[in-house]
Amino acid sequence: GENVEQHPSTLSVQEGDSAVIKCTYSDSASNYFPWYKQELGKRPQLIIDIRSNVGEKKDQRIAVTLNKTAKHFSLHITETQPEDSAVYFCAARLYTGNQFYFGTGTSLTVIP
Amino acid sequence: EAGVAQSPRYKIIEKRQSVAFWCNPISGHATLYWYQQILGQGPKLLIQFQNNGVVDDSQLPKDRFSAERLKGVDSTLKIQPAKLEDSAVYLCASSLDWRGGETQYFGPGTRLLVL
Repeated sequence: GENVEQHPSTLSVQEGDSAVIKCTYSDSASNYFPWYKQELGKRPQLIIDIRSNVGEKKDQRIAVTLNKTAKHFSLHITETQPEDSAVYFCAARLYTGNQFYFGTGTSLTVIP
Repeated sequence: EAGVAQSPRYKIIEKRQSVAFWCNPISGHATLYWYQQILGQGPKLLIQFQNNGVVDDSQLPKDRFSAERLKGVDSTLKIQPAKLEDSAVYLCASSLDWRGGETQYFGPGTRLLVL
């Protein structure tokens, strides 16, 4: 099966700075990589995703990059705001059966 | 659009008791997932259904966990008997179809505490 590793486990940044979270995956059969934001006690919410035929995708302050050769992908949040504070999960989907494998999460704290 | 519904939201039981969780996916979504999320960890897939058929249950502890989706819509996940290590949030998610709609939508989860 797939193995997804995520770093760092915790991240603190000053408001307005950028935050970067990195994930690696092991199975080259993975072709879809979503990122989820989970606030305390709430459900994971999809914030951005990328498919294996694309190297980068941006949505306002959020961007994701994918390096298929190295099997890693990253989430970039610019101009961070206190409401960005949450746990972020990356995931990888195997195209063979649509199974999703999640990283262990990054707890992001944005300090006002 | 109505989201994924789950019940109950919270459940406290003693070890060796049984418990069942219910999930109603978004209308028209063929794929349904059950995840276990232990505190401080990412969701772990327990079982995945495509309509009423099982696609993947390789990580489901089958000696105590069972799940069904008889009519290809609602699903139930059962634990019998429960152990202390089963304390977690059980998340249900659905997606349109594994071929064309990968986006998963999560329900609010059922928080289980086993004493």
